[in-house]
Amino acid sequence: SQQGEEDPQALSIQEGENATMNCSYKTSINNLQWYRQNSGRGLVHLILIRSNEREKHSGRLRVTLDTSKKSSSLLITASRAADTASYFCGGTGFQKLVFGTGTRLLVSP
Amino acid sequence: GAVVSQHPSWVICKSGTSVKIECRSLDFQATTMFWYRQFPKQSLMLMATSNEGSKATYEQGVEKDKFLINHASLTLSTLTVTSAHPEDSSFYICSARAPVIGQGGDEQYFGPGTRLTVT
Repeated sequence: SQQGEEDPQALSIQEGENATMNCSYKTSINNLQWYRQNSGRGLVHLILIRSNEREKHSGRLRVTLDTSKKSSSLLITASRAADTASYFCGGTGFQKLVFGTGTRLLVSP
Repeated sequence: GAVVSQHPSWVICKSGTSVKIECRSLDFQATTMFWYRQFPKQSLMLMATSNEGSKATYEQGVEKDKFLINHASLTLSTLTVTSAHPEDSSFYICSARAPVIGQGGDEQYFGPGTRLTVT
């Protein structure tokens, strides 16, 4: 079964705009990870945030984690057409990583 | 970063035959690997957890006799789809867990996936 859900399911923006995706999860986690997937390809690890962290930055990415609400958000600033992909959050608990449903992001030039 | 490879990248087979997919961690040792399947425009569904030297742990609803997993070494896990049916057609992705020293957490690195089509 899925760990949780991302919203929105799909998002279309213009280059230069910011994109925010949210993820909710069901069970307790040790850490939460965000991945991107280009169509028909494997997953690329973007960022890991531990359960005792609230916010983390990596380049144009900003991730927040609220364990009380069992939710996380991924912000991509100054988006580029190359950011077009599906984004998944995955919670690691009980030694395995289970994914949410994903957000499809389309960034138009 | 750590690299995980899969072989083959895609395979087409006839119903009733078996197909083996390999997953290798190229520059690190992985005591644990995971197998996922993904249908078009859907998320990844965890099928099983593969531990080196022991039996795999399957998720609920996954037939262990149909999806045979062997974790022969610290760098290789294989998934064999036995007696394949058209409904087994999917994108199969493996991942390997690598410990992140000093950060208190593990990262998982994913292979590029194998697209299986059963005719």
